[in-house]
Amino acid sequence: NAGVMQNPRHLVRRRGQEARLRCSPMKGHSHVYWYRQLPEEGLKFMVYLQKENIIDESGMPKERFSAEFPKEGPSILRIQQVVRGDSAAYFCASSPRAGTGNEKLFFGSGTQLSVL
Amino acid sequence: DAKTTQPPSMDCAEGRAANLPCNHSTISGNEYVYWYRQIHSQGPQYIIHGLKNNETNEMASLIITEDRKSSTLILPHATLRDTAVYYCIVRANTGNQFYFGTGTSLTVIP
Repeated sequence: NAGVMQNPRHLVRRRGQEARLRCSPMKGHSHVYWYRQLPEEGLKFMVYLQKENIIDESGMPKERFSAEFPKEGPSILRIQQVVRGDSAAYFCASSPRAGTGNEKLFFGSGTQLSVL
Repeated sequence: DAKTTQPPSMDCAEGRAANLPCNHSTISGNEYVYWYRQIHSQGPQYIIHGLKNNETNEMASLIITEDRKSSTLILPHATLRDTAVYYCIVRANTGNQFYFGTGTSLTVIP
């Protein structure tokens, strides 16, 4: 009964390095969402993907951030040339169908990114 | 998606009912009300959701006013493990995302 799996759980990077965060949705789920949570703040939507498609990236920073959800394998959130302001918890969620309104999201445990 | 307003914090005595209010005065007819909670730094946990009617499950009850402009999440017998931040969210049937506000930090007191 595996839920949404995120790895790594903790990731430490130096400024300028790349961070790759992985998310495996629940079995049977083909819709993935990424959220970011800065310290002492609520979750902020970043991007919504279906298999091989980005559906809504309205919350993604215009530069350095990208996301993919390939046909095979986990969804990847990639942050290039990380800066200290990227330090945050990144949560992934999945759902089996598109936003019908009556479809709850299941969240992973998150990846805590620390940029030194 | 409509925005929500919640009190920033609440206390509740252990064993008593915790009633968490939420205002969503701009909610549209096709928007559902969802409640999630986040314990410490864990991922958000689904609690309950509804459209018009009151809902109950093993975790909580959701009371939605007739005009749908507000709702209340009820934890019938709060325990220390219910200490968490509770988020009230409204989501359209065409919405691709959940909008998380600042939530209510509930502290259950022994």
